[in-house]
Amino acid sequence: EAGVAQSPRYKIIEKRQSVAFWCNPISGHATLYWYQQILGQGPKLLIQFQNNGVVDDSQLPKDRFSAERLKGVDSTLKIQPAKLEDSAVYLCASTEFSGSFYEQYFGPGTRLTVT
Amino acid sequence: GQQLNQSPQSMFIQEGEDVSMNCTSSSIFNTWLWYKQDPGEGPVLLIALYKAGELTSNGRLTAQFGITRKDSFLNISASIPSDVGIYFCAGPGNQFYFGTGTSLTVIP
Repeated sequence: EAGVAQSPRYKIIEKRQSVAFWCNPISGHATLYWYQQILGQGPKLLIQFQNNGVVDDSQLPKDRFSAERLKGVDSTLKIQPAKLEDSAVYLCASTEFSGSFYEQYFGPGTRLTVT
Repeated sequence: GQQLNQSPQSMFIQEGEDVSMNCTSSSIFNTWLWYKQDPGEGPVLLIALYKAGELTSNGRLTAQFGITRKDSFLNISASIPSDVGIYFCAGPGNQFYFGTGTSLTVIP
Protein backbone atom coordinates (compact mmCIF):
# COMPACT_ATOMS: atom_id res chain seq x y z
CA GLU A 1 0.00 0.00 0.00
CA ALA A 2 1.40 3.37 -1.02
CA GLY A 3 2.01 5.84 1.79
CA VAL A 4 1.27 9.53 2.08
CA ALA A 5 3.09 11.44 -0.64
CA GLN A 6 4.28 15.01 -0.28
CA SER A 7 6.10 17.37 -2.59
CA PRO A 8 8.39 19.12 -2.80
CA ARG A 9 10.66 17.62 -0.15
CA TYR A 10 12.64 20.83 0.25
CA LYS A 11 11.95 24.46 -0.56
CA ILE A 12 13.98 27.60 0.01
CA ILE A 13 12.33 30.96 -0.53
CA GLU A 14 12.86 34.55 0.48
CA LYS A 15 10.57 36.26 2.93
CA ARG A 16 7.46 37.79 1.39
CA GLN A 17 7.47 35.19 -1.39
CA SER A 18 4.71 32.60 -1.83
CA VAL A 19 4.99 28.84 -1.60
CA ALA A 20 2.68 25.86 -2.01
CA PHE A 21 2.93 22.30 -0.76
CA TRP A 22 1.09 19.28 -2.10
CA CYS A 23 -0.13 16.16 -0.34
CA ASN A 24 -1.63 12.94 -1.69
CA PRO A 25 -3.06 10.86 1.17
CA ILE A 26 -3.42 7.09 1.37
CA SER A 27 -6.21 5.91 -0.90
CA GLY A 28 -9.53 5.77 0.88
CA HIS A 29 -8.51 7.89 3.86
CA ALA A 30 -11.18 10.51 4.33
CA THR A 31 -9.39 12.60 6.94
CA LEU A 32 -6.34 14.67 6.12
CA TYR A 33 -4.21 16.82 8.40
CA TRP A 34 -1.55 19.45 7.87
CA TYR A 35 0.99 19.97 10.65
CA GLN A 36 3.78 22.48 11.16
CA GLN A 37 6.87 21.14 12.92
CA ILE A 38 9.39 23.75 13.98
CA LEU A 39 12.88 22.44 14.65
CA GLY A 40 13.10 20.91 18.11
CA GLN A 41 9.35 20.78 18.66
CA GLY A 42 6.52 18.36 18.15
CA PRO A 43 4.14 18.71 15.23
CA LYS A 44 1.42 21.34 15.64
CA LEU A 45 -1.89 20.88 13.88
CA LEU A 46 -2.70 23.57 11.31
CA ILE A 47 -5.83 22.21 9.67
CA GLN A 48 -7.93 19.07 9.52
CA PHE A 49 -10.12 18.06 6.57
CA GLN A 50 -12.87 15.45 6.52
CA ASN A 51 -13.32 14.67 2.82
CA ASN A 52 -13.28 18.17 1.29
CA GLY A 53 -14.68 19.97 4.33
CA VAL A 54 -12.69 21.74 7.04
CA VAL A 55 -13.13 20.21 10.51
CA ASP A 56 -10.64 22.34 12.44
CA ASP A 57 -8.54 25.27 11.29
CA SER A 58 -8.34 27.09 14.61
CA GLN A 59 -4.54 27.17 14.59
CA LEU A 60 -4.09 28.14 10.94
CA PRO A 61 -2.75 31.71 10.55
CA LYS A 62 -5.41 32.63 8.07
CA ASP A 63 -3.91 35.98 7.16
CA ARG A 64 -1.14 34.17 5.31
CA PHE A 65 -1.90 30.44 5.24
CA SER A 66 -4.58 28.75 3.18
CA ALA A 67 -5.38 25.14 2.42
CA GLU A 68 -7.81 23.32 0.20
CA ARG A 69 -8.88 19.79 -0.59
CA LEU A 70 -11.19 20.33 -3.53
CA LYS A 71 -12.09 16.77 -4.50
CA GLY A 72 -11.63 15.16 -1.11
CA VAL A 73 -8.34 13.55 -2.12
CA ASP A 74 -5.23 15.68 -2.76
CA SER A 75 -4.60 18.78 -0.71
CA THR A 76 -2.49 21.89 -1.06
CA LEU A 77 -1.21 24.20 1.65
CA LYS A 78 -0.15 27.71 0.65
CA ILE A 79 1.74 30.44 2.44
CA GLN A 80 1.52 33.97 1.08
CA PRO A 81 3.56 35.96 1.99
CA ALA A 82 6.09 33.88 3.88
CA LYS A 83 7.83 35.10 7.04
CA LEU A 84 11.09 33.96 8.57
CA GLU A 85 9.21 32.21 11.38
CA ASP A 86 7.46 29.98 8.84
CA SER A 87 10.70 28.00 8.44
CA ALA A 88 9.67 24.50 9.49
CA VAL A 89 8.79 21.04 8.24
CA TYR A 90 5.22 20.80 6.98
CA LEU A 91 3.79 17.34 7.52
CA CYS A 92 0.71 15.88 5.93
CA ALA A 93 -1.08 12.94 7.52
CA SER A 94 -4.11 10.88 6.63
CA THR A 95 -6.10 8.64 8.88
CA GLU A 96 -8.17 5.55 9.05
CA PHE A 97 -10.09 4.53 12.09
CA SER A 98 -8.16 2.05 14.22
CA GLY A 99 -9.84 0.79 17.33
CA SER A 100 -10.69 3.72 19.51
CA PHE A 101 -8.71 6.39 17.73
CA TYR A 102 -7.77 7.59 14.32
CA GLU A 103 -4.30 6.20 13.51
CA GLN A 104 -2.45 8.81 11.54
CA TYR A 105 -0.07 7.97 8.72
CA PHE A 106 2.43 10.71 8.02
CA GLY A 107 4.17 11.71 4.84
CA PRO A 108 7.90 12.55 4.80
CA GLY A 109 7.24 16.27 5.05
CA THR A 110 8.35 19.36 3.17
CA ARG A 111 11.22 21.27 4.75
CA LEU A 112 10.72 25.00 4.17
CA THR A 113 13.50 27.49 4.73
CA VAL A 114 12.60 31.17 4.55
CA THR A 115 15.57 33.53 4.19
CA GLY B 1 -4.31 24.23 23.95
CA GLN B 2 -3.26 21.18 25.88
CA GLN B 3 0.45 20.76 26.59
CA LEU B 4 2.32 17.49 26.64
CA ASN B 5 5.73 17.77 28.24
CA GLN B 6 8.32 15.09 27.68
CA SER B 7 11.46 14.32 29.63
CA PRO B 8 14.26 14.02 29.21
CA GLN B 9 14.62 16.35 26.25
CA SER B 10 17.58 14.34 24.95
CA MET B 11 19.45 11.18 25.84
CA PHE B 12 22.84 9.81 24.86
CA ILE B 13 23.25 6.14 25.71
CA GLN B 14 25.50 3.22 24.93
CA GLU B 15 24.21 0.44 22.71
CA GLY B 16 22.65 -2.28 24.83
CA GLU B 17 21.44 0.05 27.58
CA ASP B 18 17.80 0.41 28.55
CA VAL B 19 16.01 3.72 28.02
CA SER B 20 13.14 5.32 29.90
CA MET B 21 11.24 8.46 28.99
CA ASN B 22 7.98 9.97 30.10
CA CYS B 23 5.26 12.34 29.06
CA THR B 24 3.00 14.42 31.27
CA SER B 25 -0.10 16.35 30.41
CA SER B 26 -2.02 19.20 31.96
CA SER B 27 -5.23 17.40 31.02
CA ILE B 28 -6.64 13.90 31.05
CA PHE B 29 -6.39 11.76 27.92
CA ASN B 30 -8.35 8.60 27.19
CA THR B 31 -5.76 7.34 24.73
CA TRP B 32 -1.99 7.73 24.75
CA LEU B 33 0.15 7.19 21.68
CA TRP B 34 3.89 6.94 21.23
CA TYR B 35 5.53 7.84 17.90
CA LYS B 36 9.08 7.70 16.60
CA GLN B 37 10.41 10.13 14.03
CA ASP B 38 13.52 9.31 12.03
CA PRO B 39 15.51 12.17 10.50
CA GLY B 40 13.81 13.48 7.36
CA GLU B 41 10.70 11.40 7.87
CA GLY B 42 7.28 11.76 9.40
CA PRO B 43 6.39 10.21 12.78
CA VAL B 44 5.48 6.52 12.85
CA LEU B 45 3.17 5.03 15.46
CA LEU B 46 4.91 2.64 17.89
CA ILE B 47 2.41 1.88 20.62
CA ALA B 48 -1.15 2.82 21.53
CA LEU B 49 -2.58 2.72 25.06
CA TYR B 50 -6.31 2.73 25.72
CA LYS B 51 -6.93 2.64 29.46
CA ALA B 52 -5.43 3.82 32.72
CA GLY B 53 -2.85 1.47 34.15
CA GLU B 54 -2.46 -0.43 30.88
CA LEU B 55 0.99 -1.84 30.12
CA THR B 56 1.64 -2.69 26.45
CA SER B 57 4.70 -4.10 24.74
CA ASN B 58 5.86 -4.06 21.14
CA GLY B 59 9.10 -5.99 20.83
CA ARG B 60 11.71 -4.22 22.92
CA LEU B 61 9.34 -1.33 23.60
CA THR B 62 7.05 -1.18 26.62
CA ALA B 63 4.68 1.67 27.36
CA GLN B 64 2.38 2.36 30.27
CA PHE B 65 -0.72 4.49 30.57
CA GLY B 66 -0.50 6.34 33.87
CA ILE B 67 -3.21 5.70 36.45
CA THR B 68 -4.10 9.40 36.62
CA ARG B 69 -4.52 9.46 32.80
CA LYS B 70 -2.24 12.50 32.77
CA ASP B 71 1.02 10.69 32.06
CA SER B 72 2.61 7.88 30.14
CA PHE B 73 5.98 6.14 30.09
CA LEU B 74 7.98 4.50 27.33
CA ASN B 75 10.82 2.07 27.93
CA ILE B 76 13.20 0.65 25.35
CA SER B 77 15.24 -2.36 26.39
CA ALA B 78 18.65 -3.32 25.01
CA SER B 79 18.93 -0.31 22.72
CA ILE B 80 20.39 -0.68 19.23
CA PRO B 81 21.71 1.96 16.81
CA SER B 82 18.48 2.02 14.78
CA ASP B 83 16.60 3.23 17.88
CA VAL B 84 18.08 6.67 17.16
CA GLY B 85 15.42 9.28 16.54
CA ILE B 86 12.94 11.51 18.26
CA TYR B 87 10.18 9.95 20.32
CA PHE B 88 6.90 11.78 20.71
CA CYS B 89 3.95 11.08 22.91
CA ALA B 90 0.58 12.16 21.56
CA GLY B 91 -2.96 12.36 22.76
CA PRO B 92 -6.12 12.56 20.70
CA GLY B 93 -8.44 15.12 22.21
CA ASN B 94 -10.63 17.61 20.38
CA GLN B 95 -7.58 17.70 18.16
CA PHE B 96 -4.35 15.76 18.02
CA TYR B 97 -1.68 16.95 20.49
CA PHE B 98 1.99 16.02 20.30
CA GLY B 99 4.55 16.21 23.07
CA THR B 100 7.77 18.17 23.00
CA GLY B 101 9.83 15.12 22.05
CA THR B 102 12.77 13.14 23.44
CA SER B 103 15.79 12.88 21.17
CA LEU B 104 17.64 9.57 21.53
CA THR B 105 21.21 8.98 20.43
CA VAL B 106 22.64 5.48 20.69
CA ILE B 107 26.41 5.20 20.71
CA PRO B 108 27.66 1.92 19.21
